[in-house]
Amino acid sequence: SQKIEQNSEALNIQEGKTATLTCNYTNYSPAYLQWYRQDPGRGPVFLLLIRENEKEKRKERLKVTFDTTLKQSLFHITASQPADSATYLCALSQGGGYQKVTFGIGTKLQVIP
Amino acid sequence: EADIYQTPRYLVIGTGKKITLECSQTMGHDKMYWYQQDPGMELHLIHYSYGVNSTEKGDLSSESTVSRIRTEHFPLTLESARPSHTSQYLCASSSFGGTSSEDTQYFGPGTRLTVL
Repeated sequence: SQKIEQNSEALNIQEGKTATLTCNYTNYSPAYLQWYRQDPGRGPVFLLLIRENEKEKRKERLKVTFDTTLKQSLFHITASQPADSATYLCALSQGGGYQKVTFGIGTKLQVIP
Repeated sequence: EADIYQTPRYLVIGTGKKITLECSQTMGHDKMYWYQQDPGMELHLIHYSYGVNSTEKGDLSSESTVSRIRTEHFPLTLESARPSHTSQYLCASSSFGGTSSEDTQYFGPGTRLTVL
């Protein structure tokens, strides 16, 4: 069955360091992959989208990579700040007529001052 | 900040009551969704709509119903609330199929429902 795996354990990182979050998937051929940020008690907020034919995407301090051979996406936050503390969700879509988007459980990031 | 609104933000209600959770968006998006999320758990799609008069059930079976009479409005109704319905309900919309070929979703702030 299709599965999205994100490290469900919290990631603690020192302020100023680079945080790297992982999204692995199985039994999927995603047309694109998205990353969202979710704060406690709030809805997710879209951050970045990367297509299957793209290796890397950047936006300010954020960088996403997409390796369809390894079936993995890495999400990096450089120069992390306490305000980056949140849960980060990976979402995959296979594309096509009905583009079902499936969300992972998310990884909680804690940036320590 | 996305222009998608949900009311109420918090609702505590007794078993057996009928409730309607409101969701409105001002972005003109055709596609709208309802998700259910328990604390620390993943999002589960319970309903979606491609446009006016279109509603479909999602991946997670739900006793709730939805309607889409206007593009901007996608309310969710529970005819008889039960404690098992206690959860957070998130509404989202996207321009997929209209101006976009990718389903980037914009979420509302959510409604935290507690059924006693």
